[in-house]
Amino acid sequence: AQSVTQPDIHITVSEGASLELRCNYSYGATPYLFWYVQSPGQGLQLLLKYFSGDTLVQGIKGFEAEFKRSQSSFNLRKPSVHWSDAAEYFCAASVGGTASKLTFGTGTRLQVTL
Amino acid sequence: GAGVSQSPSNKVTEKGKDVELRCDPISGHTALYWYRQSLGQGLEFLIYFQGNSAPDKSGLPSDRFSAERTGGSVSTLTIQRTQQEDSAVYLCASSFGGAVSHEQYFGPGTRLTVT
Repeated sequence: AQSVTQPDIHITVSEGASLELRCNYSYGATPYLFWYVQSPGQGLQLLLKYFSGDTLVQGIKGFEAEFKRSQSSFNLRKPSVHWSDAAEYFCAASVGGTASKLTFGTGTRLQVTL
Repeated sequence: GAGVSQSPSNKVTEKGKDVELRCDPISGHTALYWYRQSLGQGLEFLIYFQGNSAPDKSGLPSDRFSAERTGGSVSTLTIQRTQQEDSAVYLCASSFGGAVSHEQYFGPGTRLTVT
């Protein structure tokens, strides 16, 4: 079955430190890949997406993600975390077309200490 | 421009009552999705519309759940005879449809509490 896995439920980093959130997918073929962020009481905001081409994709708010086919991974990174980055982060995948529904990972809650 | 809007933002209902949740997609988006977010189940897909048709209803948890979309725009998710396990945040998303997957833009959600 198609699935997305986020191994880390909760991560705490200090402000100014670097961040990496892990995401692995299990699909028959490479899916379209997305990272969303959800602040408390808010909907989901798209950070970045990977469809094809360059395996390092840039997103909003200084985030980037690297697609690694050999590892079936799409990890999210940020060089220097700000306190306002504290939120829940979801990795998602889709195969597109009439099967374009998103399959989400379970989310990683990011806490930022000052 | 206007994003995806959902109403009501919060709904409290008694067990056994019917509820209707509304979604207004971004203008020009032909694809519309409903998802459910709950503590125990995470984010789950419910149903997908392309125009007024629903080619994928595979996520609807029971026949108490139904959805429709009219005029290729507004969609309503109806839950009949609500149960406590229906308590969740119901999220709507829209995107440009077509053969290629486009990013989905989410509304703020409707928080449903069944007492």
